[in-house]
Amino acid sequence: GQQLNQSPQSMFIQEGEDVSMNCTSSSIFNTWLWYKQEPGEGPVLLIALYKAGELTSNGRLTAQFGITRKDSFLNISASIPSDVGIYFCAGDSRGQGNLIFGKGTKLSVKP
Amino acid sequence: DAGVTQSPTHLIKTRGQHVTLRCSPISGHKSVSWYQQVLGQGPQFIFQYYEKEERGRGNFPDRFSARQFPNYSSELNVNALLLGDSALYLCASSPSPRTTNYGYTFGSGTRLTVV
Repeated sequence: GQQLNQSPQSMFIQEGEDVSMNCTSSSIFNTWLWYKQEPGEGPVLLIALYKAGELTSNGRLTAQFGITRKDSFLNISASIPSDVGIYFCAGDSRGQGNLIFGKGTKLSVKP
Repeated sequence: DAGVTQSPTHLIKTRGQHVTLRCSPISGHKSVSWYQQVLGQGPQFIFQYYEKEERGRGNFPDRFSARQFPNYSSELNVNALLLGDSALYLCASSPSPRTTNYGYTFGSGTRLTVV
């Protein structure tokens, strides 16, 4: 079945540093999504990408849909303590309403 | 406005038992999807329902079943529980079955522990 490979698995950074994480797939996706999940909560959508090559920002977050449609990255600039959480990439390959998730990147920010 | 509501929040069951998890979607949303999130992994799709009909099913055994009611709420049932069924079960609601973007909202989940 389809799988998403997300890296790195975890990151420990200093407040103010920039962060980059990425996701690759063996299959093509029509939509790439980036979620954040905090303890005791469900995933919350951060950015949705719909077109190959698309670059989209949401505040300090920037994500890109790879031109091959098999990868995506998420950057967080000038990290702050509230950025702590697990970030997931997810893909929607057929527009049928079910998502395939990566294993997540756990972000820790040291003040 | 209320978000996606799931109950119970936590549950402990014994191997072999049956469990029913409940989900109330956002008002106006007609599609409900269920996901299983094992510790340390991303959510994995189980089912999608729309207008009381199953619209999609993930790679889960027949011990897993679900249904959707006329008010669009949904139940996920798991029979003959195994230790490996221990996970966070997430419900997501959306206006339509093809929505997977900003209209697709997750609840906080039900934490199921099987002992």
